[in-house]
Amino acid sequence: NAGVTQTPKFRILKIGQSMTLQCAQDMNHNYMYWYRQDPGMGLKLIYYSVGAGITDKGEVPNGYNVSRSTTEDFPLRLELAAPSQTSVYFCASSLQGEGNTIYFGEGSWLTVV
Amino acid sequence: GQNIDQPTEMTATEGAIVQINCTYQTSGFNGLFWYQQHAGEAPTFLSYNVLDGLEEKGRFSSFLSRSKGYSYLLLKELQMKDSASYLCAVVNSNYQLIWGAGTKLIIKP
Repeated sequence: NAGVTQTPKFRILKIGQSMTLQCAQDMNHNYMYWYRQDPGMGLKLIYYSVGAGITDKGEVPNGYNVSRSTTEDFPLRLELAAPSQTSVYFCASSLQGEGNTIYFGEGSWLTVV
Repeated sequence: GQNIDQPTEMTATEGAIVQINCTYQTSGFNGLFWYQQHAGEAPTFLSYNVLDGLEEKGRFSSFLSRSKGYSYLLLKELQMKDSASYLCAVVNSNYQLIWGAGTKLIIKP
């Protein structure tokens, strides 16, 4: 019952460092998403993918990059980390588009200092 | 713009009933989700409404009125484990999911 798995759970980055948040799903879902969740705010879509080889920007893509080389994996890359990227990041997937039920990973807490 | 409004926080008593409201203004409508999110955890699916009316699922029910841009989540026989945030999300005409900020529900014994 793995579902959506994301790593790491917690990470502290220094300003200017780069890192990759890993995400994998084993439900053979076509759609995958990366969200960030800031205190008191709704989930904001960073990037999404409708299938292997296809990615697109969401609402807040600046400072991030993604790739989707396989159906299962959807890593999120942070380049030149900034304090504004301190947040909780959720990877998610759904069988079809956002009108379908979305299943979330457990979240990654990122602090940039 | 598009926005979802929910109360920031609500308090209720164990065993009681609570209603969490959600109003929305979006570019089109293709369904509304309710998710539950315990502190420090991922959101989990509760309900989906696309037609007007009440959907009942055990202790939880969700209501939708598309003409009023309004939904509510009704929780009956509250238990301490229901203490969580409840997120309302609307699918707009572009099939994008617009999320509310969530309502933190505090259950007191």
